Amino acid sequence: AQKITQTQPGMFVQEKEAVTLDCTYDTSDPSYGLFWYKQPSSGEMIFLIYQGSYDQQNATEGRYSLNFQKARKSANLVISASQLGDSAMYFCAMRDRQAGTALIFGKGTTLSVSS
Amino acid sequence: GAGVSQSPSNKVTEKGKDVELRCDPISGHTALYWYRQRLGQGLEFLIYFQGNSAPDKSGLPSDRFSAERTGESVSTLTIQRTQQEDSAVYLCASSLDGRANVLTFGAGSRLTVL
Repeated sequence: AQKITQTQPGMFVQEKEAVTLDCTYDTSDPSYGLFWYKQPSSGEMIFLIYQGSYDQQNATEGRYSLNFQKARKSANLVISASQLGDSAMYFCAMRDRQAGTALIFGKGTTLSVSS
Repeated sequence: GAGVSQSPSNKVTEKGKDVELRCDPISGHTALYWYRQRLGQGLEFLIYFQGNSAPDKSGLPSDRFSAERTGESVSTLTIQRTQQEDSAVYLCASSLDGRANVLTFGAGSRLTVL
């Protein structure tokens, strides 16, 4: 069974608008971590934000926030005030004790920001 | 070094040849990971090193794939008798240790098997 599901292959947004990228996950481990990475066309993976399963509050990092809904097993990334430089592929990932130390990645969502 | 360095950045080879891909992690990072990313796909985990040992090789797709790490630094991923389905970008990442939350990735090595 797929552990990380990203159902949106592509998303389009205009500059300065907010956008939500969806991610659902599957684990029976009560202790896990959720991650979002950005991959621009250059190919390098850039860490954006982390949410631990026991964290009481949703993680935020600048314009990025994670809408963590534990009961629904979803960890959506919200990007506020989109910029042209946000155009990239975005990957949701999870680490749990079954996966060990490895991050398990979803298939990604391509975000295109237009002016 | 300042970041994770991978070489070569691009490699074109003929089917059946062996290739070696190199990863230089961030100095002081004891954990090192190899991932494979096929065109338009997500990342597939290949292998994890903690120091020089590889406690998790579960992602290696076949016995043609092997990896080693020496001196808690450089790692080499070797693919023997390459096949066309091996064509992908191979990404290396490192972290302070295996429990660290943030992995720092290199720019990848793009392998094309003709």
